[in-house]
Amino acid sequence: DADVTQTPRNRITKTGKRIMLECSQTKGHDRMYWYRQDPGLGLRLIYYSFDVKDINKGEISDGYSVSRQAQAKFSLSLESAIPNQTALYFCATSHRWGDTDTQYFGPGTRLTVL
Amino acid sequence: RKEVEQDPGPFNVPEGATVAFNCTYSNSASQSFFWYRQDCRKEPKLLMSVYSSGNEDGRFTAQLNRASQYISLLIRDSKLSDSATYLCVSSFSGGYNKLIFGAGTRLAVHP
Repeated sequence: DADVTQTPRNRITKTGKRIMLECSQTKGHDRMYWYRQDPGLGLRLIYYSFDVKDINKGEISDGYSVSRQAQAKFSLSLESAIPNQTALYFCATSHRWGDTDTQYFGPGTRLTVL
Repeated sequence: RKEVEQDPGPFNVPEGATVAFNCTYSNSASQSFFWYRQDCRKEPKLLMSVYSSGNEDGRFTAQLNRASQYISLLIRDSKLSDSATYLCVSSFSGGYNKLIFGAGTRLAVHP
């Protein structure tokens, strides 16, 4: 079984709808992240969380919210989806080790907003 | 200007060729550097870290030049299975090790 899972894997929705993307991990990592990837752009950080009580905005958090329900679960919500939120969304986890922490990514959710 | 810039490619090379990718970063406070590999429509996976002294992992060699703010990845004896997008990543400690991703360089290895 995959260590980092995301549901759904694909979603098509309409403008104005509320959407939730879910991420679960069995790696036992304390840190979790949500990114989006658009063609021609690098992955951009939306939100990150160091533990259940620690949530932080990334560089592009407008229009998104998150919930860290447990150490293993981190959900991303689009309160009112708009077409420019069409993208590939990745969840990632990491555990601090020394000065760096390697991030492990889930398989991604392809979201299309019509 | 993007914080991490890469030539998007694609690089089309025959099997067995040697290919090199370059990457520049703009934040001189960046502390750590990585190469991630991303297959089409899949998640990025860590290929290797990049150390100041340069490091090698089999057919892959990574180099860092802090003075020029430049990172490279060399792939020797290319295989068909090396076809993927290679993401250059920098990291600096701003409360946590924030990763800055380049947009990636696409490699296509043909028979």
